[in-house]
Amino acid sequence: GQQVMQIPQYQHVQEGEDFTTYCNSSTTLSNIQWYKQRPGGHPVFLIQLVKSGEVKKQKRLTFQFGEAKKNSSLHITATQTTDVGTYFCAGLKWVGSQGNLIFGKGTKLSVKP
Amino acid sequence: GAGVSQSPRYKVAKRGQDVALRCDPISGHVSLFWYQQALGQGPEFLTYFQNEAQLDKSGLPSDRFFAERPEGSVSTLKIQRTQQEDSAVYLCASSSARAGGNSPLHFGNGTRLTVT
Repeated sequence: GQQVMQIPQYQHVQEGEDFTTYCNSSTTLSNIQWYKQRPGGHPVFLIQLVKSGEVKKQKRLTFQFGEAKKNSSLHITATQTTDVGTYFCAGLKWVGSQGNLIFGKGTKLSVKP
Repeated sequence: GAGVSQSPRYKVAKRGQDVALRCDPISGHVSLFWYQQALGQGPEFLTYFQNEAQLDKSGLPSDRFFAERPEGSVSTLKIQRTQQEDSAVYLCASSSARAGGNSPLHFGNGTRLTVT
């Protein structure tokens, strides 16, 4: 089952409002990746965070990796209708010499124009 | 190719039938993953290949599921004696990294399997 928890499950915002989704793991992650899946589409890679406390920005998107490398967040400033989709975090956990990306259940974002 | 290609795009199977789903990864990508995505859920890991070697199959839900990548490129996911609970989108992803999950995954469009 899923070992990476993501909240909220759904978020409805008015265009122009901000949006944040949170990702939590009970164990330390080697890295965390974020993906966006548009309705009817497949997950598309957004970014990877590796270092403790890392913050990365992509235009209106801000990604953070927690100090303990157990949580992460994605914040979108001033949402637009093009931001609609489901945002997934995926944490890398090592089992022996093999790494495995564990996906959260995603946060589905809808934006009302 | 330019991206990960999966076929068929849609598959309807009667309960008990066998199905085979194909994945053609990005040329040169060492790592290949299969995920199962149920409606409204995140992708659930099924299995991982590094070249032709299946290094992790811990996510395969039962012995009815079998995956292979004999020449280290194209992969096939086979489901025997399909059950209704197998209905889902099956996603294939490839990566240039040797260690799974250390670099971005490039997903195909998936195969939507419906078992009736």
